[in-house]
Amino acid sequence: GESVGLHLPTLSVQEGDNSIINCAYSNSASDYFIWYKQESGKGPQFIIDIRSNMDKRQGQRVTVLLNKTVKHLSLQIAATQPGDSAVYFCAEFRTDSWGKLQFGSGTQVVVTP
Amino acid sequence: SQTIHQWPATLVQPVGSPLSLECTVEGTSNPNLYWYRQAAGRGLQLLFYSVGIGQISSEVPQNLSASRPQDRQFILSSKKLLLSDSGFYLCAWSRLAGEREQFFGPGTRLTVL
Repeated sequence: GESVGLHLPTLSVQEGDNSIINCAYSNSASDYFIWYKQESGKGPQFIIDIRSNMDKRQGQRVTVLLNKTVKHLSLQIAATQPGDSAVYFCAEFRTDSWGKLQFGSGTQVVVTP
Repeated sequence: SQTIHQWPATLVQPVGSPLSLECTVEGTSNPNLYWYRQAAGRGLQLLFYSVGIGQISSEVPQNLSASRPQDRQFILSSKKLLLSDSGFYLCAWSRLAGEREQFFGPGTRLTVL
C-alpha cells in the first residue's frame, strides 16, 4: 500500500544551526501532511501541519514546505536548540478515511553543542 | 484542560500470558480514541480506533483486541501474548472523527519474554 517515508534515519545538527528534515510521500490523495515530534520515552506531539493545496506554512521557528510535483515534504527548524533533539515523524491525513493518520518511520535529530 | 493517562508505564510479561493496558482521557467528552504500536526505531502503526462506547474498529489482524467500556476509557487486551507483541503502545485521542490533530499519551513499554 501507499506509505509515508523519510529519507534519513539520523540527522546531527550543531546548536544554533538550521535543521531540515525531509519526507517523501506516495499518496497524492492526502489532504494534510503533519509533523510530529517524539522525545525519548514519550508520546508524539503535534508540531505543525500543512494543507495539500499549500506550498509553505510557518510556525514558531518551524517552516513546512510541500512540493507536490516531487511528492516531497520538509520541516525546517530555525536556530536548533538542545530541546529540539527528538524523533520527527511526518504523517499523512485524509478526511475521507475517517481521519486516520499514516506515519513514516521517523528521523532522529541529535543536536550537538 | 485535557489530559490522557496510560498505565502501566512499563510491563514485562512472559509469552502466553494475558495483557491489559488501560488508557483514560480527562477533560473532554466523546473523544475519538486510538491505540498505536511502535516498534523500536520505527513509526507508529494504528491498531484500533473507536468513535464511541462499544464501537471498535481494527486496522490490522493481530493477537490483540480493544474495548471501550466507558466514554473516556480505552483498553487494549490480549489473551496470550506473543514475542512479537513487544513494543511501545501509545493511546491517543482527538476531538472529532476527521480531526487531524491527535493527542498522545505517555505510552506503555511492553516487553514479552
